[in-house]
Amino acid sequence: AQSVTQLGSHVSVSEGALVLLRCNYSSSVPPYLFWYVQYPNQGLQLLLKYTSAATLVKGINGFEAEFKKSETSFHLTKPSAHMSDAAEYFCAVGDTGRRALTFGSGTRLQVQP
Amino acid sequence: EPEVTQTPSHQVTQMGQEVILRCVPISNHLYFYWYRQILGQKVEFLVSFYNNEISEKSEIFDDQFSVERPDGSNFTLKIRSTKLEDSAMYFCASTGQGRANEKLFFGSGTQLSVL
Repeated sequence: AQSVTQLGSHVSVSEGALVLLRCNYSSSVPPYLFWYVQYPNQGLQLLLKYTSAATLVKGINGFEAEFKKSETSFHLTKPSAHMSDAAEYFCAVGDTGRRALTFGSGTRLQVQP
Repeated sequence: EPEVTQTPSHQVTQMGQEVILRCVPISNHLYFYWYRQILGQKVEFLVSFYNNEISEKSEIFDDQFSVERPDGSNFTLKIRSTKLEDSAMYFCASTGQGRANEKLFFGSGTQLSVL
């Protein structure tokens, strides 16, 4: 069975500060890992995904995530937060055996001016 | 970028009533999904659909739920007799190839409130 844990339901940073959103997963098979973002009144949009190629994955809007197998983590980072980054971020895990993704409970990012 | 469209954006219904949530997936996509998110909880998978049949479903997707692609463009989720605990945001999604590592295109959701 797969599971995803996102530490921190709410994270607040200042504009220009580092963004770090944490995600840990469990999977009995090599995982596919995703970060999705949800802006107010919109659907979830893919930020980036790990699919067993490079462990450091770059996504849209300056975000990146590093797959660390030894730590079963896939934390999302951005060097400098922008006001427009305020949204809810979801980590998700999938594998080749299923089409369904297992999502975490989400982290709401607030960016202070 | 192409979009998945969901209607209505909000649906209020009485307990025990039937509701149909509608989705128009991206036109050349072949795989369709429903997910839901109860307020404050995780986004949960309900069902995937391909070639006019269910390809995978979760434990949540019991006999009260059904899905249908009534024509070439719409994909619907029906809840036969709604319960209070069905109140949630329901998301439709689609993909072209159905691969596990493929990007899901989500609609903006239908907020279902069961009173």
